Amino acid sequence: EDQVTQSPEALRLQEGESSSLNCSYTVSGLRGLFWYRQDPGKGPEFLFTLYSAGEEKEKERLKATLTKKESFLHITAPKPEDSATYLCTLPGSARQLTFGSGTQLTVLP
Amino acid sequence: NAGVTQTPKFQVLKTGQSMTLQCAQDMNHEYMSWYRQDPGMGLRLIHYSVGAGITDQGEVPNGYNVSRSTTEDFPLRLLSAAPSQTSVYFCASSYRVGGYTFGSGTRLTVV
Repeated sequence: EDQVTQSPEALRLQEGESSSLNCSYTVSGLRGLFWYRQDPGKGPEFLFTLYSAGEEKEKERLKATLTKKESFLHITAPKPEDSATYLCTLPGSARQLTFGSGTQLTVLP
Repeated sequence: NAGVTQTPKFQVLKTGQSMTLQCAQDMNHEYMSWYRQDPGMGLRLIHYSVGAGITDQGEVPNGYNVSRSTTEDFPLRLLSAAPSQTSVYFCASSYRVGGYTFGSGTRLTVV
């Protein structure tokens, strides 16, 4: 059974204070790992797909990396608009998604 | 605009009532799925479909039915609503590769 564990559950940063979010996973055969952002009252918004260990993807202040057991979402010099819940998820054999519980990020001005 | 459209956005039901949550996508995606999101529980898979005419159960299917008669539509039916089905429901769709596109959600309250 695929499992995803995200940490920390919540993270408060000052604007400009860089940090990382962690996603630990166990899967029988990796078919990719997705990162999503979710704002309150909205559906998850796709950020990145990672397929193999060592792969990295970047978008603005976000960089996602992947190892054989973990993925990290690095946030460099965050701004208040980066405040959201960040979700890590694994697609199954029929592309059904297993989600972690998310990390709620708050960036204070 | 292309995307996943969910209706209604909000709904209040009485215990025992039935209803259908609608989901439509215009991206010709093969894969579609329904999730519910509850505080402290994260997103959990209810039902999913890998193409028209093919559906399967997810983690929490009890009390819900689905059908996929067309590529575009994937309605979720609540047979006899219970307070435990109070939740936010998301529909999502994707191609065979790449990330899913999610709808904006239906917030359902069962009283």
